[in-house]
Amino acid sequence: GQQLNQSPQSMFIQEGEDVSMNCTSSSIFNTWLWYKQDPGEGPVLLIALYKAGELTSNGRLTAQFGITRKDSFLNISASIPSDVGIYFCAGPEYTPLVFGKGTRLSVIA
Amino acid sequence: DGGITQSPKYLFRKEGQNVTLSCEQNLNHDAMYWYRQDPGQGLRLIYYSQIVNDFQKGDIAEGYSVSREKKESFPLTVTSAQKNPTAFYLCASSPTGAYTEAFFGQGTRLTVV
Repeated sequence: GQQLNQSPQSMFIQEGEDVSMNCTSSSIFNTWLWYKQDPGEGPVLLIALYKAGELTSNGRLTAQFGITRKDSFLNISASIPSDVGIYFCAGPEYTPLVFGKGTRLSVIA
Repeated sequence: DGGITQSPKYLFRKEGQNVTLSCEQNLNHDAMYWYRQDPGQGLRLIYYSQIVNDFQKGDIAEGYSVSREKKESFPLTVTSAQKNPTAFYLCASSPTGAYTEAFFGQGTRLTVV
């Protein structure tokens, strides 16, 4: 089946630092979704990307749809403690949705 | 407000007992999903349903059962055949068709003792 590879698997950063993570696929996707899961909660949709090359921001978050359609990137600027959680990418090309395994972010104050 | 509701938030059961987790949505979504999440792990698909009275096994269906008698409801039963049932269970829903976003419930943490 379809697989999405997320990297890094985990990261520890200092408060105030910028964060970058990515998601790659062996197949082309026409839509990319990024979710955040707070500890003990369900994932919440952060950003949806619908066009190759698209760059979309949501506050301190910026996501990009790769030109090859096989990857996507999520950046968080000036991290704060509440950014802690797991970030998932997803490709809704098919039912059921395909999810990456997530990037676990820890922020050290 | 529209949304997807899982209940209860925490559930404790004795080993060998079946237990049913509730998932209800009022988003008028056709598709519903159940995922299992273990500590430090990603989301693993248990079952999904694209229409009432129909559902398909996901990657880890053994030891679980579901029903989809109503569009709004997709309960998951964790049976005694599930060898390691203690986990965090997430329900999600989405419209059918490609390129649609899924919405998640808040999860149920099941502990079997």
